[in-house]
Amino acid sequence: EPEVTQTPSHQVTQMGQEVILRCVPISNHLYFYWYRQILGQKVEFLVSFYNNEISEKSEIFDDQFSVERPDGSNFTLKIRSTKLEDSAMYFCASEKDRNTEAFFGQGTRLTVV
Amino acid sequence: ELKVEQNPLFLSMQEGKNYTIYCNYSTTSDRLYWYRQDPGKSLESLFVLLSNGAVKQEGRLMASLDTKARLSTLHITAAVHDLSATYFCAVLTTSGTYKYIFGTGTRLKVLA
Repeated sequence: EPEVTQTPSHQVTQMGQEVILRCVPISNHLYFYWYRQILGQKVEFLVSFYNNEISEKSEIFDDQFSVERPDGSNFTLKIRSTKLEDSAMYFCASEKDRNTEAFFGQGTRLTVV
Repeated sequence: ELKVEQNPLFLSMQEGKNYTIYCNYSTTSDRLYWYRQDPGKSLESLFVLLSNGAVKQEGRLMASLDTKARLSTLHITAAVHDLSATYFCAVLTTSGTYKYIFGTGTRLKVLA
């Protein structure tokens, strides 16, 4: 069964460093999302992406965050200068179209020290 | 903006008992999901509910959707320890936006 794949599964980084979280969506999917979940809290929307541009972003998704689909298969989330409060599980999701279910990846746990 | 609330937030129950988790949302939606999450793990899709009156069952879990009341329920029948997890509902919002809004989650602990 096709699945959304995220790498790495866990990343530890120093505060102020840049990180790139990678996602490989399901191959024929067109809509992509990043969500995050701070430990013990609910899952929060960060950004949606379609046709090589951001469709919508939340207040959390400030200038420190960016997304891109560099090669037609990977979908990346970059955090330019990480802060302690960026520590969370980050989930990527993809969707074939607006009438079908979104599938979530297994998540990347980001720890900023 | 769409708000999604679940209750209870925490639920401790004995094996063999029945219980219901509630998910209320504040604006119209066409689609509601239930997910299970084990500690430190990803989101496992349990149910997708697409229309008013939809009811789906899988094992000891049954989900229903009342779009008029903006309410979904996840009913647990004869709970077993393996059901211990956090359960999230997520509502698709399409009013001027398109994204999934997650509920606060219900942490379920089934005691042997």
